[in-house]
Amino acid sequence: AQTVTQSQPEMSVQEAETVTLSCTYDTSESDYYLFWYKQPPSRQMILVIRQEAYKQQNATENRFSVNFQKAAKSFSLKISDSQLGDAAMYFCANRTSGTYKYIFGTGTRLKVLA
Amino acid sequence: NAGVMQNPRHLVRRRGQEARLRCSPMKGHSHVYWYRQLPEEGLKFMVYLQKENIIDESGMPKERFSAEFPKEGPSILRIQQVVRGDSAAYFCASSPGLLGTSLNSPLHFGNGTRLTVT
Repeated sequence: AQTVTQSQPEMSVQEAETVTLSCTYDTSESDYYLFWYKQPPSRQMILVIRQEAYKQQNATENRFSVNFQKAAKSFSLKISDSQLGDAAMYFCANRTSGTYKYIFGTGTRLKVLA
Repeated sequence: NAGVMQNPRHLVRRRGQEARLRCSPMKGHSHVYWYRQLPEEGLKFMVYLQKENIIDESGMPKERFSAEFPKEGPSILRIQQVVRGDSAAYFCASSPGLLGTSLNSPLHFGNGTRLTVT
């Protein structure tokens, strides 16, 4: 069965510093996608970044980047120059190519300290 | 272009009552997915619907839960005889077509309905 594991229930970072959120996953599929979603207190699920498993190059979106280690089944999110607005729950998710089900991790609560 | 609209935002029900959660997909989207988020957990797939059809309800509890997506109007998630364990945030998402091999068929989530059963 597919699983997504986020082992850090909570993380803190100083404003303007860098923080890395961990995610590991387990799948027997070779073609899949990985996502990081942000959920602020408003509860909205906001797509932060996504990665295709067949691409070796790590995805980047402005201050957000990933470290995708396919062999280790690891997909960590790095947030640079952290801002107060980055404070939220962050969920890692996996979707197998050709399917519609997302498998989510349990989330990491990120606190940004002024 | 309005996003996925869910209402109500918050819903309080006493044990034994019925809960009806509504979801209007993004304009032009004909595929709807419901997910449930229990406290301190990630989202879990419940059901996938197209207009007038349930495609996959493998994540739905066998009893008391049902979903529909009629030809006209929003998708409805219905929970009969609610129990305290049903308290959760229920999210709806939509896509323009079946989520397939393309990463450019993203899932658009609504803001969820928080159901509290007292």
